[in-house]
Amino acid sequence: AQTVTQSQPEMSVQEAETVTLSCTYDTSESDYYLFWYKQPPSRQMILVIRQEAYKQQNATENRFSVNFQKAAKSFSLKISDSQLGDAAMYFCGANFGNEKLTFGTGTRLTIIP
Amino acid sequence: AAGVIQSPRHLIKEKRETATLKCYPIPRHDTVYWYQQGPGQDPQFLISFYEKMQSDKGSIPDRFSAQQFSDYHSELNMSSLELGDSALYFCASSLGGLAALGEQYFGPGTRLTVT
Repeated sequence: AQTVTQSQPEMSVQEAETVTLSCTYDTSESDYYLFWYKQPPSRQMILVIRQEAYKQQNATENRFSVNFQKAAKSFSLKISDSQLGDAAMYFCGANFGNEKLTFGTGTRLTIIP
Repeated sequence: AAGVIQSPRHLIKEKRETATLKCYPIPRHDTVYWYQQGPGQDPQFLISFYEKMQSDKGSIPDRFSAQQFSDYHSELNMSSLELGDSALYFCASSLGGLAALGEQYFGPGTRLTVT
């Protein structure tokens, strides 16, 4: 089975601090793509960052970076210098080669001023 | 830049009624995906179309049907609505095989409430 698991239903962080959201997945595919999506109160799904499984280098987008551990099937998101606008539900997602996205159950991130 | 357009944004229906949700992909995008997100849940894949042909099918009830038209817009038809169909329905679009590269753009969603 191809699954994505987020074990942290809720996380909170002080403004300007760093927080890491966890994600694990399971697949027998060797080539796949991993994503983090942000869903603010508007419910819009916004792509935050993506990682190709064949690339060893961790993806980075400004304050957002990932720690991709292929052998451990782990894909965590690190948010540096947290801002109030980062408050949202974060979904880890994967494309296991068939184009559709499979999501985890989400982590609600709260930013404490 | 043009984004994915979904209409209506909000829809209220009664049990056993029919609803039609529309999705207009980004210009030149030929692939459309439908997802259903129930309250407090993650989005679940329903169905997708590539070049007007169904390309993949997920956990879509038999009461639902969908199609993609010649102008690439898509419609999700939902009949015999049940209370459990209340959800946010997302449409996403991509250009051919680029969906795998993360180039799958989501619309704002249609919030369906069944009473």
